[in-house]
Amino acid sequence: AQKVTQAQTEISVVEKEDVTLDCVYETRDTTYYLFWYKQPPSGELVFLIRRNSFDEQNEISGRYSWNFQKSTSSFNFTITASQVVDSAVYFCALSVGGSARQLTFGSGTQLTVLP
Amino acid sequence: EAQVTQNPRYLITVTGKKLTVTCSQNMNHEYMSWYRQDPGLGLRQIYYSMNVEVTDKGDVPEGYKVSRKEKRNFPLILESPSPNQTSLYFCASSLSPGHLYNEQFFGPGTRLTVL
Repeated sequence: AQKVTQAQTEISVVEKEDVTLDCVYETRDTTYYLFWYKQPPSGELVFLIRRNSFDEQNEISGRYSWNFQKSTSSFNFTITASQVVDSAVYFCALSVGGSARQLTFGSGTQLTVLP
Repeated sequence: EAQVTQNPRYLITVTGKKLTVTCSQNMNHEYMSWYRQDPGLGLRQIYYSMNVEVTDKGDVPEGYKVSRKEKRNFPLILESPSPNQTSLYFCASSLSPGHLYNEQFFGPGTRLTVL
């Protein structure tokens, strides 16, 4: 069975601060995919990034960056120079093997960016 | 526009009154799934379908039914809703299970309240 842990339930930062959201996953499979989704106050789920288990390269997209470390089973997400519009719930998710059968979600981290 | 649609978006009902939440996708996806989102629990899978007439239970199937008579539609049925089914529901779809990226596309969500 697989599991995703987002230990940070709520984080509050002041605008322009950097913030890192932690994600730790568990799986016995060697082939898996990791995802981050954003859920703004409007409620929809917005896909941010996908990473497969064979690609440990870190990725940067504008103010967003992701650090994937198989050695610690972590896939952390950093927002640089945070903005009020970044306020949302962020979910880390895991999909195992070649099957899209199920996404296992973490419990989410509520990020609040204060002006 | 490629999308997953859900109806209704908001629903308030009473205990025991049968209801159906519809889900439709226009991307010719084989895989479809239902999740419920509850505070502190993230998203949990209710049912999924690998293709027409092929459905299976997820992590929390009790109290729900689904059907997949057409590729594009995957309705969620609550035969006798109870207050513990008050939740935010998401429908999702993705390409065939063996697809490399396994990205799931989510509908906008249905907020259900059972009194």
